[in-house]
Amino acid sequence: EVHLVESGGGLVQPGGSLRLSCAASGFTFSDHSMAWVRQAPGQGLEWVGRITNKAYSFTTEYAASVKGRFTISRDDSQNSLYLQMNSLKTEDTAVYYCGRFTSGYINYWGQGTLVTVSS
Amino acid sequence: DIQMTQSPSSVSASVGDRVTITCRASQGLSSSLAWYQQRPGRAPKLLIYGVSSLQSGVPSRFSGSGSGTDFTLTISSLQPEDFASYYCQQTNSFPLTFGGGTKVEIK
Repeated sequence: EVHLVESGGGLVQPGGSLRLSCAASGFTFSDHSMAWVRQAPGQGLEWVGRITNKAYSFTTEYAASVKGRFTISRDDSQNSLYLQMNSLKTEDTAVYYCGRFTSGYINYWGQGTLVTVSS
Repeated sequence: DIQMTQSPSSVSASVGDRVTITCRASQGLSSSLAWYQQRPGRAPKLLIYGVSSLQSGVPSRFSGSGSGTDFTLTISSLQPEDFASYYCQQTNSFPLTFGGGTKVEIK
């Protein structure tokens, strides 16, 4: 059974940094692209970015709203996905979901971790 | 960027009703569209990909159709567990984008 568990969320001040992690199990992590999606309180879904697997050179794509501030990486030896968030803004406050990415859609989702950016 | 517009933003319906949600893209998508369900306090769940392919384990009362810029999610006979929010997503090009969501509420 595919299982994705995010961690690392919390309260951070504007301008600060935070690193989210996503632990994967139940599938061959190294074979799959992975993605992050976020959801601000009471709002809809917003795609954050994606990283391919090694076969596709760990290529990343980002939403314009986070490009240059957020970095997606992965450690296939640890079956883990990461989201490094720098220069955080209040509008980055959201639940962050990791997901297994296939042909543009996410077929498995984690339970999410809440990031609150506030002074 | 491709803009995705869902309608209605909310709908009130009863158990057993047929519910239709539409999604319009700002440019043609071919067959690059997915639908998700999100129950309150839960992560989204993939229902349909490639416009009309049902994800494994999803009940057959859910169906998707459409082409080009106009797409539809239909729930043929609403069940209590279907009261949730639904989102379309274009999978055609980066940046990937979601519709604003449709909340299906109990009448």
